[in-house]
Amino acid sequence: GQQVMQIPQYQHVQEGEDFTTYCNSSTTLSNIQWYKQRPGGHPVFLIQLVKSGEVKKQKRLTFQFGEAKKNSSLHITATQTTDVGTYFCAGPLWNGGSQGNLIFGKGTKLSVKP
Amino acid sequence: GAGVSQSPSNKVTEKGKDVELRCDPISGHTALYWYRQSLGQGLEFLIYFQGNSAPDKSGLPSDRFSAERTGGSVSTLTIQRTQQEDSAVYLCASSSPYGASGFRTADTQYFGPGTRLTVL
Repeated sequence: GQQVMQIPQYQHVQEGEDFTTYCNSSTTLSNIQWYKQRPGGHPVFLIQLVKSGEVKKQKRLTFQFGEAKKNSSLHITATQTTDVGTYFCAGPLWNGGSQGNLIFGKGTKLSVKP
Repeated sequence: GAGVSQSPSNKVTEKGKDVELRCDPISGHTALYWYRQSLGQGLEFLIYFQGNSAPDKSGLPSDRFSAERTGGSVSTLTIQRTQQEDSAVYLCASSSPYGASGFRTADTQYFGPGTRLTVL
């Protein structure tokens, strides 16, 4: 069945270092979304990418959608302790009619050492 | 409302008891989702409601789990005869059925704060 995979599962960085998480889908996606879940919190929407090769930036965060629309990445420049959390990617799930649902990756848990 | 709300925020129950978890979606959102998240784990999809369509129950782990959505708004997730492995945070999310383009798509999901269920 359709799968969305994220690597790495965990990443520990020193504050100020860069961080990247990668998302790969087994199928072509019409769009991809990224969410962040702080420790003890709930997932919060960050961004949606729709176009092939699209790149979007939010301050120190850079999001990319692959040319084939099957992979995506999130890059954080100069991490801060406020970046701590789990980052999930998600794409539309198509299972013979259940449109509107998302399939989530398992997430990358980022910890930042001050 | 301003966001998705869930109640209770915490629930402690004894093994074998039934529990009901409630979700109030964002007003106007016709899509509603339930997920389960065990400690340190990812999101496990449980069930999805979209308007008046039959719900997608493909993620329910057993027949002890059921959910309903009354009047196209509030949803209740019921777990019967709870087991210790049911202990987790149960998250509800809602979304609009149409993306910014106006076409039916998997739109942004807005999550509630979750209900932490502990089964003793």
